Amino acid sequence: DAKTTQPPSMDCAEGRAANLPCNHSTISGNEYVYWYRQIHSQGPQYIIHGLKNNETNEMASLIITEDRKSSTLILPHATLRDTAVYYCIVRVWYGGATNKLIFGTGTLLAVQP
Amino acid sequence: DGGITQSPKYLFRKEGQNVTLSCEQNLNHDAMYWYRQDPGQGLRLIYYSQIVNDFQKGDIAEGYSVSREKKESFPLTVTSAQKNPTAFYLCASSLLGETEAFFGQGTRLTVV
Repeated sequence: DAKTTQPPSMDCAEGRAANLPCNHSTISGNEYVYWYRQIHSQGPQYIIHGLKNNETNEMASLIITEDRKSSTLILPHATLRDTAVYYCIVRVWYGGATNKLIFGTGTLLAVQP
Repeated sequence: DGGITQSPKYLFRKEGQNVTLSCEQNLNHDAMYWYRQDPGQGLRLIYYSQIVNDFQKGDIAEGYSVSREKKESFPLTVTSAQKNPTAFYLCASSLLGETEAFFGQGTRLTVV
């Protein structure tokens, strides 16, 4: 699985958009980009994933660059409850077989009032 | 309600004792995973399973054992061979393929 690089921490003002970057320069064509978040002392929560196209759901938007070497998770209106560690993961599906989720150290997003 | 349940939330054991952590899911997921998390660190994969009676080692399997006798259950045993067992343990499950994984709330194991 490709390795990801994220900044260790970021701040964001409440109500503003939070843009969390992730580099995955060694990503290959069949690897998906996944984002999870972990609020302190809880299990990680799935946010969104994508392969090539930008994706949006009720929680966030995922922007993947055309060369797929980096992506950005956007929380459009951050709230204090969005304070968490955000993990960017790349994951291969081997067509019928399961695969591993490999987590890095993530980005601690601190939403400030 | 469908979900994945880990029990207990907190567990204390004496050094040298084996301990088994429970993980049950009623999501009808084929794949199940165990991760370990140390303070300020990301998650590290211990074992995973994609079908009953089959499982594979992750990156840090030494000192741990698992079983998968039922689709719903994937217990993890922390043996006395695990040198630093105190950690936060997370279980997850997913369908096979390109889909998200669902995590339990974790078990915090402290060995004294």
